[in-house]
Amino acid sequence: QKEVEQDPGPLSVPEGAIVSLNCTYSNSAFQYFMWYRQYSRKGPELLMYTYSSGNKEDGRFTAQVDKSSKYISLFIRDSQPSDSATYLCAPISYIPTFGRGTSLIVHP
Amino acid sequence: NAGVTQTPKFQVLKTGQSMTLQCAQDMNHNSMYWYRQDPGMGLRLIYYSASEGTTDKGEVPNGYNVSRLNKREFSLRLESAAPSQTSVYFCASSEVDNSPLHFGNGTRLTVT
Repeated sequence: QKEVEQDPGPLSVPEGAIVSLNCTYSNSAFQYFMWYRQYSRKGPELLMYTYSSGNKEDGRFTAQVDKSSKYISLFIRDSQPSDSATYLCAPISYIPTFGRGTSLIVHP
Repeated sequence: NAGVTQTPKFQVLKTGQSMTLQCAQDMNHNSMYWYRQDPGMGLRLIYYSASEGTTDKGEVPNGYNVSRLNKREFSLRLESAAPSQTSVYFCASSEVDNSPLHFGNGTRLTVT
């Protein structure tokens, strides 16, 4: 079992929808998490990171950590076609281990 | 500020050839990493360097060597390339270990 699991998708939604992207993790020692967005043929781009449990908001993006269930989420409000990409999660750790990513398609 | 720069962007090798992938960062970061990304496998750590002068193996180090040339530069060498090393290679850096990573745009390597 990988330390971080993500459903690869693809997740297809209409423009304007609220998107929920999720990761589960196995190591309860993980405290803090990063979210990346990766466009096709590009490197992962750091989207958000959180050093605390609960919610962190940045514009249309909200990251949520639920340590009791080892579940982290990224919500995208008012999704746009430009949000179409693969989203990766990872714990902030000495040796970062990434999930396989979830492919998101936002269609006009 | 260029961030993390990788060269070359593309490379085609024949089996058995050698090459070095170059990575440089201009953010004064202490830690640097090499990952490979394959379809369905996600990002897998090859080697990392927590600080200048140190390197350690990651999840998939076989067939690779690394050099932390100085604080800015971290290179990845394939001594005898194999088709199984066909992949996209990403270099990343972080201010210190246990801090967020910043990635380059990758080197797309094909070994025939």
